[in-house]
This record gives sequence, C-alpha cells and structure tokens, in this order.
Amino acid sequence: DAGVTQSPTHLIKTRGQHVTLRCSPISGHKSVSWYQQVLGQGPQFIFQYYEKEERGRGNFPDRFSARQFPNYSSELNVNALLLGDSALYLCASTRGAGAYNEQFFGPGTRLTVL
Amino acid sequence: DQQVKQNSPSLSVQEGRISILNCDYTNSMFDYFLWYKKYPAEGPTFLISISSIKDKNEDGRFTVFLNKSAKHLSLHIVPSQPGDSAVYFCAASASRNAGNMLTFGGGTRLMVKP
Repeated sequence: DAGVTQSPTHLIKTRGQHVTLRCSPISGHKSVSWYQQVLGQGPQFIFQYYEKEERGRGNFPDRFSARQFPNYSSELNVNALLLGDSALYLCASTRGAGAYNEQFFGPGTRLTVL
Repeated sequence: DQQVKQNSPSLSVQEGRISILNCDYTNSMFDYFLWYKKYPAEGPTFLISISSIKDKNEDGRFTVFLNKSAKHLSLHIVPSQPGDSAVYFCAASASRNAGNMLTFGGGTRLMVKP
C-alpha cells in the first residue's frame, strides 16, 4: 500500500513568490495535517483538514493557506515568500480527526527561499 | 514559548546498552504523548505513545514512562542497536481538542555505536 506522498520533493523559490505544495494521504484516510520543520527544530503544526473542513490552525500568518479536495488530497499555499519560510514541509494523514488517530507522515517537501 | 522541550540535542550510546531520551512539557492540557523517530530524507515514523491515564507503556525494546506531576516523559530503548541511530521527537496533544494537532519538541539525535 502506498504511504503518504508529497510533491515536489524539492523546490527553490525567490522572495515574494508564491508556492503550492501537494499531499496525497493514505487510501482511506480522511484527514490531512501540515507541519513546518525548520532546520534544527521539531515540526510545527500549520493546519489540519478533515472531510474538506479546517479542523485546526497553528500560529502562522495569513500568507499560509490550505485546502482539501473531495479525494482527500490537500494543497498548502504560501504567498509572498520570505527567507524564513525555508523549511521542510511535512504532510501527515490520519483515518479520523481526533487525537488518538495515528499520524502517518510523508517524506516532506524541502523548500528553499533565496 | 516552547510547550514541549527536549533538552539534550544529542546522545551517544554503545550498542547493547540502554538509551534514555527525555522530554518535558508545560501545558497541563496535554494528555496524550507520542515518540517519533526520523531518519534523514524521510518523514517522522510513529514509535510508541502513552495516555495520561497510564504511567508506563511498553512495546518490545521501547518503553515510555510518564510522570504527570513532574510533566516529564522518557523513552527507554533496551538494548540499543545501531539501526536505532536517528533523531527522536517527543510530541504531545490534548484529546479534548477537535483536531489532532501535535506539539513537538526540538528532537534528540541518538547515535548508537557498534
């Protein structure tokens, strides 16, 4: 069975540009969460979506947005990129929405902002 | 402020000995705790979890201990193997929240020497 997939693997952008990251959850999973992992730190929660509705939002500016599609895949959008947005962006999928659902992480998208 | 802290950025252990990784938290709402393991170029992988109604959970070579009064948890790996070399993240969540947002610590890099 395929795990969580993310695309692209790597991405280089310049300041002020826009980026879209994509995630496909494990088949049968209805919830997707996004995390940002800056080098040397732990992942930090950005968003959770369940059944196409936002279930949680972390402490990130409005430049960050996301959505979930009817097939449960998800996009993370970041506008007006800053150097500090350079990070590994992780997507995690779960079968349900609550805390006790095991989160399965994808390999991440490495974003570099120059 | 960091609600979950791993104060040791790295730990080196001889193969066959015990590895003890520590984690402290400050948020009293946290009642579910998890450990994840991360290899380079891969997403975090779930290892073991513990609910606040327990003080110990064991799974093979891995045991997690929870001390609620001290807001401290630890992961014991016995015996340690070279394949255990990775970055270990402690994470916490509050089950009463609608979603499954995880708050991660900064990670501890474990090196198991043959």
